[in-house]
Amino acid sequence: GESVGLHLPTLSVQEGDNSIINCAYSNSASDYFIWYKQESGKGPQFIIDIRSNMDKRQGQRVTVLLNKTVKHLSLQIAATQPGDSAVYFCAENIRGAQKLVFGQGTRLTINP
Amino acid sequence: GAGVSQSPSNKVTEKGKDVELRCDPISGHTALYWYRQSLGQGLEFLIYFQGNSAPDKSGLPSDRFSAERTGGSVSTLTIQRTQQEDSAVYLCASSPSRAGGPNTGELFFGEGSRLTVL
Repeated sequence: GESVGLHLPTLSVQEGDNSIINCAYSNSASDYFIWYKQESGKGPQFIIDIRSNMDKRQGQRVTVLLNKTVKHLSLQIAATQPGDSAVYFCAENIRGAQKLVFGQGTRLTINP
Repeated sequence: GAGVSQSPSNKVTEKGKDVELRCDPISGHTALYWYRQSLGQGLEFLIYFQGNSAPDKSGLPSDRFSAERTGGSVSTLTIQRTQQEDSAVYLCASSPSRAGGPNTGELFFGEGSRLTVL
């Protein structure tokens, strides 16, 4: 079936440390992946995306890694800040489906 | 406007009543999506509009749910005879093309409409 899931529902990290949020997907036909950040009471905000012809993409303090062999996606956040505390969702677009399928989310808490 | 606008931001209704939720997408965006987010859960796809094409209604959970998009812009999600399990945040998103599209694949989300059915 179609599913995007997360290994850990919650993650606590010390401020300044790096964090890694993992995501597994099951559909080999997925050609586009995206990470969203959602703060309490707000809509999801785009963080970074990656297409299936890439293995790695970097943004400002964030890196997304895609391993198509094991159908695994990760989001790395460097030098975490209190403002990084939020729920993070991975999502995939299955080729031809034209919609994003979302995972359950991981709550990231940055401890001062 | 600058972003996706949704109204109302909060709606409390009684079981059995009908509700309408409105979404104003970003100007020029051809694709419009509705998702539902239950407490502590991920986003569940409901319906997708693209230009003048027939909408993808595959995610609507029952025939009590319907949506329309007038003039290729504003969309209204209607829930008839609301039930307590309909309580959730209803999120609208728009995109210049479509999810995963050639230029920008991201969806731009609004703040959501929180629906509480008593």
